[in-house]
Amino acid sequence: AQSVTQLGSHVSVSEGALVLLRCNYSSSVPPYLFWYVQYPNQGLQLLLKYTSAATLVKGINGFEAEFKKSETSFHLTKPSAHMSDAAEYFCAVSLGGGSYIPTFGRGTSLIVHP
Amino acid sequence: EPEVTQTPSHQVTQMGQEVILRCVPISNHLYFYWYRQILGQKVEFLVSFYNNEISEKSEIFDDQFSVERPDGSNFTLKIRSTKLEDSAMYFCASTSDRGNEQYFGPGTRLTVT
Repeated sequence: AQSVTQLGSHVSVSEGALVLLRCNYSSSVPPYLFWYVQYPNQGLQLLLKYTSAATLVKGINGFEAEFKKSETSFHLTKPSAHMSDAAEYFCAVSLGGGSYIPTFGRGTSLIVHP
Repeated sequence: EPEVTQTPSHQVTQMGQEVILRCVPISNHLYFYWYRQILGQKVEFLVSFYNNEISEKSEIFDDQFSVERPDGSNFTLKIRSTKLEDSAMYFCASTSDRGNEQYFGPGTRLTVT
């Protein structure tokens, strides 16, 4: 079985500041890990994914995430927040070689202040 | 860019009524999914569909739920007798291969009164 914990239902940053959204996972086998973004009134869009290749994964819109097995973490970062980054962010884990159905975290709402 | 579409965007229904939520997956995709998100809670997997049959389903997907691909383009989720607790956002997704990225639709907000 797999699960995901996202720390903080809301994260508030100023425009230009570092964005850090935390995700910890639990998986019985080497996982696939994903970050999705959901803008208002839209579906989930994949930001980036880790599938056992490079531990530092670069995604769209300047986001990246680092897979740290020792910490069972896959935190999402962006060096400089933009107003357009305000959205809901979901971390998800799947079993990769087994079922590819992702298990989602509760989501973190990113608020960006001018 | 191809996208998954869902209709309607918002459906209001009375308890006990049947509803059908519709999805048009990306045209060359073969795997189809339904998820739901109750307000303030996690996105939860309901069912996956491949080759005209259910390939996986969760505990949530009980006998009141069914899925169908009635033609070459639509993928539907039917709830036979809605309950208040079925109120949620329902997302459809599709992918070309199980291990690939799933593309999500914008969702249908179902409100059961």
